[in-house]
Amino acid sequence: QQQVKQSPQSLIVQKGGIPIINCAYENTAFDYFPWYQQFPGKGPALLIAIRPDVSEKKEGRFTISFNKSAKQFSLHIMDSQPGDSATYFCAASMGGTASKLTFGTGTRLQVTL
Amino acid sequence: DARVTQTPRHKVTEMGQEVTMRCQPILGHNTVFWYRQTMMQGLELLAYFRNRAPLDDSGMPKDRFSAEMPDATLATLKIQPSEPRDSAVYFCASGRGNNPGELFFGEGSRLTVL
Repeated sequence: QQQVKQSPQSLIVQKGGIPIINCAYENTAFDYFPWYQQFPGKGPALLIAIRPDVSEKKEGRFTISFNKSAKQFSLHIMDSQPGDSATYFCAASMGGTASKLTFGTGTRLQVTL
Repeated sequence: DARVTQTPRHKVTEMGQEVTMRCQPILGHNTVFWYRQTMMQGLELLAYFRNRAPLDDSGMPKDRFSAEMPDATLATLKIQPSEPRDSAVYFCASGRGNNPGELFFGEGSRLTVL
């Protein structure tokens, strides 16, 4: 059973656009929601993360919006650049000291000139 | 520059052969994860360890896969015998138990089983 659903599967935006990637989760015990960025041939790397006690977190051009009642969260990339072209994964964990991440299926983002 | 190191980066083998992938976690990290990435399934958790003890290997086919941590600086994932459906990129990640969710991934081992 997939516990974190991610959409869209792929996304193409022009430079300067604001791509939005959405995720929904089922398990209300999840309490930590990170986003990972993966470039071809590399491992995923932590981009930004949020806990459910806040509705939004911003780091540079990246913003997470979180809706606890809807069990949804999303990643917004402001002023997107070609260098942002990568695969983005949302994830969720139950925190604690032995938390394992459950990943969404990934969104391949392409930012064109 | 602390990073997770995985070997080999690429492996091509024939069906039925044994494959061993190795991972050196970041020094001081006490949690180690093995993930498998395929186009169809995305990132699947195979197994993870905390303080070298296995905590969960429910995602791993038990009949052919095994994961161990002989010491704090080495984690291994073994497939015996390998099958074509095992072709994937295998990632090792490490983290600190008191900082959930922040995992540091290696660059992966790309396995092709012919």
